[in-house]
Formats: sequence, C-alpha cells, structure tokens
Amino acid sequence: DIQMTQSPSSLSASVGDRVTITCRASQSISSYLNWYQQKPGKAPTLLIYTASTLQSGVPSRFSGSGSGTDFTLTISSLQPEDFAIYFCQQTYRTPRSFGQGTKLEIK
Amino acid sequence: QVQLVQSGAEVKKPGASVKVSCKASGYTFTSYFMHWVRQAPGQGLEWMGVINPSGGSTSYAQKFQGRVTMTRDTSTSTAYMEVSSLRSEDTAFYYCARQKPSTTWEDYWGQGTLVTVSS
Repeated sequence: DIQMTQSPSSLSASVGDRVTITCRASQSISSYLNWYQQKPGKAPTLLIYTASTLQSGVPSRFSGSGSGTDFTLTISSLQPEDFAIYFCQQTYRTPRSFGQGTKLEIK
Repeated sequence: QVQLVQSGAEVKKPGASVKVSCKASGYTFTSYFMHWVRQAPGQGLEWMGVINPSGGSTSYAQKFQGRVTMTRDTSTSTAYMEVSSLRSEDTAFYYCARQKPSTTWEDYWGQGTLVTVSS
C-alpha cells in the first residue's frame, strides 16, 4: 500500500500569512494527488485535484504543485475561514490512502 | 443541486452489525461511483471501498474484506454500507463520497454518520 506523509502535523499562523503544507508519497504517484479541507464537525471538501487543479468555487489563494512523490499545498494569504484540517489523498493505486492531516490553527 | 444525505447516528454493541445509507439526489445515481471513507474521532481518513452503482460491482480495502458489504438500490438512488462483527475500534464517522468514473477524485461527500460501538 502507498503511505502518505504530511508535514507539519500542525501549524500556527496568522491571517494574511502565506503557508505551505507538504505531502510525500512512499512511491511515485504521478499527479494522482488530491487535497481536501475539513472543518470541525463537517465532511471533507475537495480543494485541489490532480495535484494542481483548483476545484470549482475554491478561492484562488489556494494552489497545489508537485508530481511523483512530493507535493505541496500553498495558501497565499490566510483568511479566517481557512483555519481547518487539510488532508492529501493519493488515487494512483487501490487502496486509496490519505495523509494523516495538517491542522492549521490561528496564532 | 448534488446532495448525499446519510442516515442518522447509530449505537451498537460489540459483535453486532450496522448498515449506513447514503441517498443521492441532483444527479444520475448510476453515473458515478460511490466510495466509503471512515474517520475515527479526532483521527485521519481511511478508505474502505467503492461500489459502481451501475452494475453493483465493488472493491474493498483488504482490511475490510469479509466484514464490509456495499450495496445499492437504484430505484431509490441509495447506496448502503454494512459492517459486521463490530468492535470498539469501528467507532467512527462513516462518509459516502461520489466519484465520476472519468476522474480520480471525490467531489461531493455526505454529511457523515457516527457509529458508536459500546457495550
């Protein structure tokens, strides 16, 4: 199975900051990497698919990059509504697998 | 608009079974795969398997083989996920999420169903 490792596990930042979250796969997954955001008590919502394509309706301050084994999610200027948990997901091989999550907190 | 509405919270005893439903609306049910993902409280996401509502074919994570059954009822646009031989470690939120076959991501998720396993 493919293991997904995110870093950091938690991150404190301020409104307006630029933040980057990293996701590493245990083997190459091409660009079969998605990012989800989850707010407390809610289901995950899709932010970015195939590593870098923004889902419809997602603000342009979110961006994704990478291929192979190393990927990043960047938020260019944090807004109050962005404080949440972020998960990466690989869909290159079954079983699909997720990173352990990165909790983005207000500093 | 697309909606995936799941059944309500359940409390079960160890060894029992639970069946969670996911009713789809706002799109053609048989045109999208349905995945099931679970999340223990405060933990990460775990993929359980997927069903193709068109023909009913399924694929399960090896961890859940033999203990999880995914089915669907096309007449009501509802997907089901049953877990048998429940244990305390199965306490989690269970989510359904749809995927268009030509894509590799899940774009809409249900609201989640909390299953609590406790004696």
